[in-house]
Amino acid sequence: AQTVTQSQPEMSVQEAETVTLSCTYDTSESDYYLFWYKQPPSRQMILVIRQEAYKQQNATENRFSVNFQKAAKSFSLKISDSQLGDAAMYFCAYRRLGFNTDKLIFGTGTRLQVFP
Amino acid sequence: SAVISQKPSRDICQRGTSLTIQCQVDSQVTMMFWYRQQPGQSLTLIATANQGSEATYESGFVIDKFPISRPNLTFSTLTVSNMSPEDSSIYLCSVLGYTFGSGTRLTVV
Repeated sequence: AQTVTQSQPEMSVQEAETVTLSCTYDTSESDYYLFWYKQPPSRQMILVIRQEAYKQQNATENRFSVNFQKAAKSFSLKISDSQLGDAAMYFCAYRRLGFNTDKLIFGTGTRLQVFP
Repeated sequence: SAVISQKPSRDICQRGTSLTIQCQVDSQVTMMFWYRQQPGQSLTLIATANQGSEATYESGFVIDKFPISRPNLTFSTLTVSNMSPEDSSIYLCSVLGYTFGSGTRLTVV
């Protein structure tokens, strides 16, 4: 069975600095999707970034980028130029490739605090 | 992607009662997913709803407690039945494998 592990329950960063959130996963599949979600106190799950495992290039969305290490089954999120609005829970998630009917498997989350 | 409207956004309910949560999508989708997020926890899938057939429930979730309807390709409801304080959670619907509604924060007193 697939599992997702986030080993950092809490992280903190100074505004304008860079922070990296860790995620590892376990799967026997060769093709799959990985996601990072942001969940502010409003409780909505906001998709931050998505990575297809068959793509070697790391995904980037503005200040957010990932370091995808397929062999190591590692998928970390880097937030550059951190802003106060980045403070939230961040969840890493896995889903099999090509299966819009398949469920997401989530890690336990990392709470990110941003200090001015 | 799709836009999902989920209602209600929050509710406070008495124990023993039931609450029905609605999820409306702006496009037709094959599957709709219902997740639960207990306080301080991650998301867990309750069930998958396919139009025209019975929902498929994950281990630990049963139809009598969480009945689901899926009358068409854009709409689904999840009912939390005979509620207890342990049902206090955020409930979220999801489509396309990665898009979520805004969630329903349920408090049972």
